[in-house]
Amino acid sequence: GAVVSQHPSRVICKSGTSVKIECRSLDFQATTMFWYRQFPKQSLMLMATSNEGSKATYEQGVEKDKFLINHASLTLSTLTVTSAHPEDSSFYICSPGGRGGTQYFGPGTRLLVL
Amino acid sequence: ELKVEQNPLFLSMQEGKNYTIYCNYSTTSDRLYWYRQDPGKSLESLFVLLSNGAVKQEGRLMASLDTKARLSTLHITAAVHDLSATYFCAVNRGLHYNTDKLIFGTGTRLQVFP
Repeated sequence: GAVVSQHPSRVICKSGTSVKIECRSLDFQATTMFWYRQFPKQSLMLMATSNEGSKATYEQGVEKDKFLINHASLTLSTLTVTSAHPEDSSFYICSPGGRGGTQYFGPGTRLLVL
Repeated sequence: ELKVEQNPLFLSMQEGKNYTIYCNYSTTSDRLYWYRQDPGKSLESLFVLLSNGAVKQEGRLMASLDTKARLSTLHITAAVHDLSATYFCAVNRGLHYNTDKLIFGTGTRLQVFP
């Protein structure tokens, strides 16, 4: 399967700080990266789609100014949670798009905001 | 709006028994995925089903797709403890092959006991 890495794997931060999550597609040049969020005991919800060289698109209800997405290269997309609050505590998972066929997912980043 | 429903939400089954997980979706889609998620981990791809009548099998798991009924099933044969996990189905939101946004089902938490 595709090799997708995320960093960090888990992070604990204080309320009001910003956290950057990196997602790398190691064996595939991803023109698109999907970012999902999973709250405890719940399913995955698509947050936004990052596109290499252009602005990200956000799903309804997701604040674009709070979740900053950058897709500067074909192998790297970043999600920055700005001014994080406890309700942002979640499992964030990226998935490179554009392969067709099977969709692979990164190992996830667990964010805990105190 | 595309909705994906799974049932049951929870499944406790004895080793050696058979059972089926159902996944219904509300609008036309060209791909259906099944994933497995272990606690604290990301998603592991199990199956991709691309056409009506598609059936795929891997070990004790078999997935099928009926696009006319908008129904997919994941059948478990002679369950073993190692199959304990949460299983998600997901449907491609777009109608085009390269549109990889996925809408996930609610998940089925499977527990296999001796």
